[in-house]
Amino acid sequence: EAQVTQNPRYLITVTGKKLTVTCSQNMNHEYMSWYRQDPGLGLRQIYYSMNVEVTDKGDVPEGYKVSRKEKRNFPLILESPSPNQTSLYFCASSLTPLRGRYSPLHFGNGTRLTVT
Amino acid sequence: RKEVEQDPGPFNVPEGATVAFNCTYSNSASQSFFWYRQDCRKEPKLLMSVYSSGNEDGRFTAQLNRASQYISLLIRDSKLSDSATYLCVVNRDNYGQNFVFGPGTRLSVLP
Repeated sequence: EAQVTQNPRYLITVTGKKLTVTCSQNMNHEYMSWYRQDPGLGLRQIYYSMNVEVTDKGDVPEGYKVSRKEKRNFPLILESPSPNQTSLYFCASSLTPLRGRYSPLHFGNGTRLTVT
Repeated sequence: RKEVEQDPGPFNVPEGATVAFNCTYSNSASQSFFWYRQDCRKEPKLLMSVYSSGNEDGRFTAQLNRASQYISLLIRDSKLSDSATYLCVVNRDNYGQNFVFGPGTRLSVLP
């Protein structure tokens, strides 16, 4: 089954304790991205990757890191989590479009992170 | 002005009603437009792409007006299962897949 898999689904941690949220897709998609969703603010892009070893900042990258060593995986790293990073996180992937057309995003089922 | 704005909602409609959602975007260079639906605390799922000529998928019709930078979604004969938040999604520029999401409009279809 074609899917984007995030782990864990739920995570409670304490301020300053490094954590990684994993994301993997089995659709051979070039493009992957991370979003956070907060009440009243909607979905905001954290980082995205156009392909292996190519990553770039989104709208809210502060406090996050990513890596893209393999095409299928795009982990999100919080080196020193803080309470303002408590949020619902989504990973998404898509094909890279050809000839100016764009491909819709496929989302993972989310990671609810609480930082105390 | 926000990049993508939507009707604030929520919309509460009876089963069988027709409901329309509106979305405006600020970047005239935007090329791609989508409607997603999101059930409570779940991942957004693609409902439909929006094409220049307008497009229909069963009970759902999407329209695009580039001159007014406006997108709409019409749901006919609404079902209880249509209750969700509807997100308008627009690409930000001509490079890559840099999308911006609207805040969403929540729909509740009532029996």
